[in-house]
Amino acid sequence: EVQLVESGGGLVQPGGSLRLSCAASGFTFSTYAMNWVRQAPGKGLEWVSYISSSSGTIYYADSVKGRFTVSRDNAKNSLYLQMNSLRAEDTAVYHCARDKENGYDSAPNDYWGQGTLVTVSS
Amino acid sequence: QPVLTQPASLSASPGASARFTCTLRSGINVGTYRIYWYQQKPGSLPRYLLRYKSDSDKQQGSGVPSRYSGSKDASTNAGLLLISGLQSEDEADYYCAIWYSSTWVFGGGTRLTVL
Repeated sequence: EVQLVESGGGLVQPGGSLRLSCAASGFTFSTYAMNWVRQAPGKGLEWVSYISSSSGTIYYADSVKGRFTVSRDNAKNSLYLQMNSLRAEDTAVYHCARDKENGYDSAPNDYWGQGTLVTVSS
Repeated sequence: QPVLTQPASLSASPGASARFTCTLRSGINVGTYRIYWYQQKPGSLPRYLLRYKSDSDKQQGSGVPSRYSGSKDASTNAGLLLISGLQSEDEADYYCAIWYSSTWVFGGGTRLTVL
């Protein structure tokens, strides 16, 4: 069974930092690209970042570029999001989501973790 | 102007059909893109429904009933999600998405009410 479990959220002051983690199991993590997608309370989905299976390709939304850094450790089946210079508008539930498998035309974002809540407030 | 625009809400009766629109910003040709659709019920995670680019390039999500289908309206530059035989369990938020300029872009979502 595919599982994605996020952790690391919490309350942080504006300008602060947090590091989110996503532990993957039930599939060959190293062959899948991954995304971070956030959802502010009562709002829609907003894509944050993409990382390819080998970490060779990384993309960010303009709203987080220069402040957030995505990374992964395939040996540990883990995905990370380092968030710096946090702002009130970054308050959201952050989900990791499985993107496509290398070499396959598979469904993107077919599995999502439950998410971890990040609240940026003084 | 957002890349993808969806109406905020849609209402339909049980047994009827629902037609969701996802309009691409002017200058972004719907014919070029795969349109992906996701369903999110209250308190639940998004669920991948399907992908549609053309009748020869489409994909149904795992376990998604055939009464969910995709299409396009080139005249309005929009991707379409069609649900036939509406059931109360179809009440949810529906999001479209495209892979655009090396980013995932989601529409703002349409809330379906079945009444």
